[in-house]
Amino acid sequence: GENVGLHLPTLSVQEGDNSIINCAYSNSASDYFIWYKQESGKGPQFIIDIRSNMDKRQGQRVTVLLNKTVKHLSLQIAATQPGDSAVYFCAETVGSNYKLTFGKGTLLTVNP
Amino acid sequence: EAGVVQSPRYKIIEKKQPVAFWCNPISGHNTLYWYRQNLGQGPELLIRYENEEAVDDSQLPKDRFSAERLKGVDSTLKIQPAELGDSAVYLCASSTIPGGETQYFGPGTRLLVL
Repeated sequence: GENVGLHLPTLSVQEGDNSIINCAYSNSASDYFIWYKQESGKGPQFIIDIRSNMDKRQGQRVTVLLNKTVKHLSLQIAATQPGDSAVYFCAETVGSNYKLTFGKGTLLTVNP
Repeated sequence: EAGVVQSPRYKIIEKKQPVAFWCNPISGHNTLYWYRQNLGQGPELLIRYENEEAVDDSQLPKDRFSAERLKGVDSTLKIQPAELGDSAVYLCASSTIPGGETQYFGPGTRLLVL
Protein backbone atom coordinates (compact mmCIF):
# COMPACT_ATOMS: atom_id res chain seq x y z
CA GLY A 1 0.00 0.00 0.00
CA GLU A 2 0.98 3.63 -0.27
CA ASN A 3 3.37 4.80 2.43
CA VAL A 4 2.23 8.32 3.02
CA GLY A 5 4.56 8.58 5.96
CA LEU A 6 7.52 9.23 3.66
CA HIS A 7 6.05 12.47 2.36
CA LEU A 8 6.58 14.97 5.12
CA PRO A 9 5.08 18.42 4.91
CA THR A 10 7.92 20.83 4.27
CA LEU A 11 8.59 24.45 5.06
CA SER A 12 11.46 26.35 3.53
CA VAL A 13 12.41 29.77 4.91
CA GLN A 14 15.21 32.26 4.60
CA GLU A 15 17.59 32.75 7.48
CA GLY A 16 16.32 35.53 9.72
CA ASP A 17 12.68 35.07 8.76
CA ASN A 18 10.05 33.86 11.20
CA SER A 19 8.75 30.30 10.80
CA ILE A 20 5.34 28.94 11.66
CA ILE A 21 4.80 25.20 11.87
CA ASN A 22 1.27 23.93 12.26
CA CYS A 23 -0.21 20.83 13.79
CA ALA A 24 -3.77 19.56 13.92
CA TYR A 25 -4.49 17.19 16.78
CA SER A 26 -7.31 14.72 16.90
CA ASN A 27 -8.26 14.09 20.51
CA SER A 28 -10.39 16.82 22.06
CA ALA A 29 -9.57 15.37 25.48
CA SER A 30 -5.84 16.01 25.06
CA ASP A 31 -4.65 18.48 27.64
CA TYR A 32 -0.88 18.55 27.35
CA PHE A 33 1.09 19.25 24.22
CA ILE A 34 4.78 19.21 23.39
CA TRP A 35 6.83 20.30 20.41
CA TYR A 36 9.90 18.25 19.62
CA LYS A 37 12.72 18.97 17.20
CA GLN A 38 14.47 16.04 15.55
CA GLU A 39 17.69 16.49 13.64
CA SER A 40 18.93 13.83 11.27
CA GLY A 41 20.34 10.85 13.14
CA LYS A 42 19.25 12.12 16.55
CA GLY A 43 16.38 11.54 18.93
CA PRO A 44 13.56 14.06 19.39
CA GLN A 45 14.60 17.05 21.47
CA PHE A 46 12.12 18.87 23.70
CA ILE A 47 11.46 22.45 22.60
CA ILE A 48 8.43 23.75 24.46
CA ASP A 49 5.21 22.51 26.00
CA ILE A 50 1.80 23.90 26.81
CA ARG A 51 -1.17 22.78 28.86
CA SER A 52 -4.73 23.10 27.69
CA ASN A 53 -5.55 25.80 30.22
CA MET A 54 -3.27 28.14 28.29
CA ASP A 55 -3.46 29.43 24.74
CA LYS A 56 0.04 30.78 24.40
CA ARG A 57 3.43 30.11 25.86
CA GLN A 58 6.76 31.68 25.00
CA GLY A 59 10.27 30.41 25.22
CA GLN A 60 13.54 31.60 23.83
CA ARG A 61 12.80 32.46 20.18
CA VAL A 62 9.85 30.05 20.20
CA THR A 63 6.18 30.52 20.88
CA VAL A 64 3.49 27.86 20.98
CA LEU A 65 -0.13 28.75 20.32
CA LEU A 66 -3.01 26.47 21.17
CA ASN A 67 -6.50 26.78 19.73
CA LYS A 68 -8.66 24.18 21.39
CA THR A 69 -11.75 25.18 19.46
CA VAL A 70 -10.31 23.94 16.20
CA LYS A 71 -7.80 21.53 17.76
CA HIS A 72 -4.83 23.34 16.33
CA LEU A 73 -1.34 23.87 17.64
CA SER A 74 1.38 26.01 16.13
CA LEU A 75 5.05 26.61 16.76
CA GLN A 76 6.51 29.96 15.87
CA ILE A 77 10.26 30.34 15.58
CA ALA A 78 11.60 33.88 15.50
CA ALA A 79 14.64 34.83 13.46
CA THR A 80 15.07 31.32 12.11
CA GLN A 81 18.66 30.11 11.91
CA PRO A 82 20.29 27.35 9.86
CA GLY A 83 20.60 25.32 13.06
CA ASP A 84 16.82 25.24 13.27
CA SER A 85 16.69 22.99 10.20
CA ALA A 86 15.13 19.73 11.37
CA VAL A 87 11.87 17.77 11.49
CA TYR A 88 9.41 19.17 14.01
CA PHE A 89 6.79 17.01 15.69
CA CYS A 90 3.90 17.96 17.88
CA ALA A 91 2.79 15.43 20.48
CA GLU A 92 -0.30 15.25 22.68
CA THR A 93 -1.38 13.37 25.75
CA VAL A 94 -4.46 13.13 27.94
CA GLY A 95 -4.63 13.77 31.67
CA SER A 96 -2.53 11.37 33.66
CA ASN A 97 -2.04 9.21 30.61
CA TYR A 98 1.67 8.94 29.90
CA LYS A 99 1.13 8.05 26.28
CA LEU A 100 2.42 10.62 23.83
CA THR A 101 0.74 10.57 20.44
CA PHE A 102 2.93 12.17 17.82
CA GLY A 103 1.60 14.09 14.87
CA LYS A 104 2.97 14.05 11.38
CA GLY A 105 6.32 15.80 11.32
CA THR A 106 7.18 18.92 9.35
CA LEU A 107 10.56 19.30 7.71
CA LEU A 108 11.91 22.82 8.18
CA THR A 109 14.71 23.90 5.89
CA VAL A 110 16.47 27.19 6.54
CA ASN A 111 18.26 28.72 3.59
CA PRO A 112 21.27 30.89 4.37
CA GLU B 1 23.65 16.21 33.39
CA ALA B 2 24.01 13.25 31.04
CA GLY B 3 21.09 12.53 28.77
CA VAL B 4 19.51 9.23 27.88
CA VAL B 5 22.20 6.84 26.66
CA GLN B 6 21.51 4.14 24.09
CA SER B 7 23.68 1.51 22.48
CA PRO B 8 24.47 0.43 19.90
CA ARG B 9 23.80 3.42 17.68
CA TYR B 10 23.57 1.27 14.56
CA LYS B 11 22.91 -2.39 13.97
CA ILE B 12 22.72 -4.40 10.77
CA ILE B 13 21.53 -7.99 10.97
CA GLU B 14 20.07 -10.63 8.74
CA LYS B 15 16.45 -11.60 9.14
CA LYS B 16 15.70 -14.29 11.70
CA GLN B 17 18.67 -13.22 13.81
CA PRO B 18 18.23 -11.87 17.35
CA VAL B 19 19.10 -8.32 18.33
CA ALA B 20 19.17 -6.37 21.58
CA PHE B 21 19.17 -2.68 22.40
CA TRP B 22 20.27 -1.12 25.65
CA CYS B 23 19.13 2.08 27.33
CA ASN B 24 20.28 3.98 30.39
CA PRO B 25 17.82 6.74 31.36
CA ILE B 26 18.57 10.09 32.91
CA SER B 27 19.59 9.66 36.53
CA GLY B 28 16.60 9.85 38.82
CA HIS B 29 14.03 9.22 36.09
CA ASN B 30 11.86 6.37 37.25
CA THR B 31 9.78 6.11 34.08
CA LEU B 32 11.29 4.62 30.94
CA TYR B 33 9.77 4.25 27.50
CA TRP B 34 10.70 2.36 24.37
CA TYR B 35 9.48 3.73 21.05
CA ARG B 36 9.82 2.64 17.45
CA GLN B 37 10.14 5.23 14.73
CA ASN B 38 9.65 4.31 11.10
CA LEU B 39 11.08 6.47 8.37
CA GLY B 40 9.24 9.76 7.99
CA GLN B 41 6.91 9.14 10.90
CA GLY B 42 6.65 10.07 14.55
CA PRO B 43 7.69 7.67 17.31
CA GLU B 44 5.19 5.04 18.44
CA LEU B 45 5.22 3.68 21.96
CA LEU B 46 6.14 0.03 22.47
CA ILE B 47 6.36 -0.26 26.24
CA ARG B 48 6.45 1.88 29.36
CA TYR B 49 8.13 1.07 32.68
CA GLU B 50 7.58 2.63 36.04
CA ASN B 51 10.63 1.57 37.98
CA GLU B 52 11.00 -2.14 37.20
CA GLU B 53 7.35 -2.74 36.36
CA ALA B 54 6.10 -2.80 32.78
CA VAL B 55 2.87 -0.87 33.26
CA ASP B 56 1.89 -0.80 29.61
CA ASP B 57 3.14 -3.27 27.02
CA SER B 58 -0.06 -3.36 25.01
CA GLN B 59 1.67 -2.27 21.81
CA LEU B 60 4.66 -4.55 22.13
CA PRO B 61 4.54 -7.43 19.59
CA LYS B 62 5.04 -10.10 22.20
CA ASP B 63 5.59 -12.94 19.79
CA ARG B 64 9.04 -11.63 18.97
CA PHE B 65 9.71 -8.60 21.18
CA SER B 66 10.65 -8.64 24.84
CA ALA B 67 11.95 -6.06 27.27
CA GLU B 68 13.27 -5.94 30.79
CA ARG B 69 14.26 -3.41 33.38
CA LEU B 70 15.38 -5.63 36.21
CA LYS B 71 16.70 -3.09 38.68
CA GLY B 72 14.53 -0.20 37.66
CA VAL B 73 17.34 1.70 36.00
CA ASP B 74 18.67 0.57 32.63
CA SER B 75 16.62 -1.47 30.22
CA THR B 76 17.05 -3.89 27.34
CA LEU B 77 14.73 -4.38 24.38
CA LYS B 78 15.12 -7.59 22.39
CA ILE B 79 13.80 -8.85 19.09
CA GLN B 80 13.99 -12.54 18.30
CA PRO B 81 13.76 -13.38 15.48
CA ALA B 82 14.03 -10.11 13.57
CA GLU B 83 11.96 -9.58 10.44
CA LEU B 84 12.51 -7.22 7.52
CA GLY B 85 9.70 -4.98 8.75
CA ASP B 86 11.50 -4.40 12.04
CA SER B 87 13.93 -2.05 10.33
CA ALA B 88 13.42 1.25 12.14
CA VAL B 89 14.93 3.51 14.78
CA TYR B 90 14.36 2.31 18.33
CA LEU B 91 14.19 5.19 20.75
CA CYS B 92 14.38 5.17 24.51
CA ALA B 93 12.96 8.02 26.58
CA SER B 94 12.68 8.74 30.27
CA SER B 95 10.77 11.07 32.54
CA THR B 96 10.55 11.78 36.23
CA ILE B 97 6.88 10.89 36.52
CA PRO B 98 4.26 9.46 34.22
CA GLY B 99 1.26 11.40 33.12
CA GLY B 100 2.33 13.61 30.28
CA GLU B 101 5.32 15.29 31.79
CA THR B 102 8.23 15.88 29.49
CA GLN B 103 9.87 12.81 28.05
CA TYR B 104 13.53 13.10 27.16
CA PHE B 105 14.74 10.96 24.30
CA GLY B 106 18.01 9.24 23.61
CA PRO B 107 19.71 9.25 20.19
CA GLY B 108 18.14 5.94 19.19
CA THR B 109 19.42 2.72 17.68
CA ARG B 110 19.05 2.50 13.93
CA LEU B 111 18.27 -1.10 12.99
CA LEU B 112 18.53 -2.47 9.48
CA VAL B 113 17.31 -6.01 8.88
CA LEU B 114 18.51 -7.57 5.62
